[in-house]
Amino acid sequence: EPEVTQTPSHQVTQMGQEVILRCVPISNHLYFYWYRQILGQKVEFLVSFYNNEISEKSEIFDDQFSVERPDGSNFTLKIRSTKLEDSAMYFCASNRGGDTGELFFGEGSRLTVL
Amino acid sequence: GENVEQHPSTLSVQEGDSAVIKCTYSDSASNYFPWYKQELGKRPQLIIDIRSNVGEKKDQRIAVTLNKTAKHFSLHITETQPEDSAVYFCAAPKRPGQGAQKLVFGQGTRLTINP
Repeated sequence: EPEVTQTPSHQVTQMGQEVILRCVPISNHLYFYWYRQILGQKVEFLVSFYNNEISEKSEIFDDQFSVERPDGSNFTLKIRSTKLEDSAMYFCASNRGGDTGELFFGEGSRLTVL
Repeated sequence: GENVEQHPSTLSVQEGDSAVIKCTYSDSASNYFPWYKQELGKRPQLIIDIRSNVGEKKDQRIAVTLNKTAKHFSLHITETQPEDSAVYFCAAPKRPGQGAQKLVFGQGTRLTINP
């Protein structure tokens, strides 16, 4: 069964450093997302991406965040200058889009900012 | 935008008993309501979903009911087993009418099944 894959599984970084989280969505999916989950809290929407551009972003997704689809398979989330409060699990997700239902999540990338 | 409230935050039941988790939503235009199960350290995985044109959907030991008038939906797990222990999240579309694309999640319910 196809899966969304993410790397790295865990990254530790110093405050102020840039971080890039990588995702490979399911190949025939058209919509890609990043969600965030702070430890012990709910999953929060960050951004959605369709047709090579951001279709929607949340208030969390400020100028420090950016997303990119550099080639036909990868989807990345960049945090330019990490803050302590960026420490969380970041989930990439994808789906076929529209009203077609299930959102498929990756295993997540745990980011720890020191 | 949508607001989703989930209760209870923790639930402990004896193996074999039933568990019920409830969610309310704010936007009457919402039309899609998924439930996700998240085991410790794992990704959220869809276990069941319901659309607003039906009131109930069942899949083996799991069922979801939807009350559009009251704007709430519930997850029912019968004959609970230890492997049902996990955190369960309900969700609704951030912008109703756009399907599963952008979800607003509830706060989660930590379900513990006691042997």
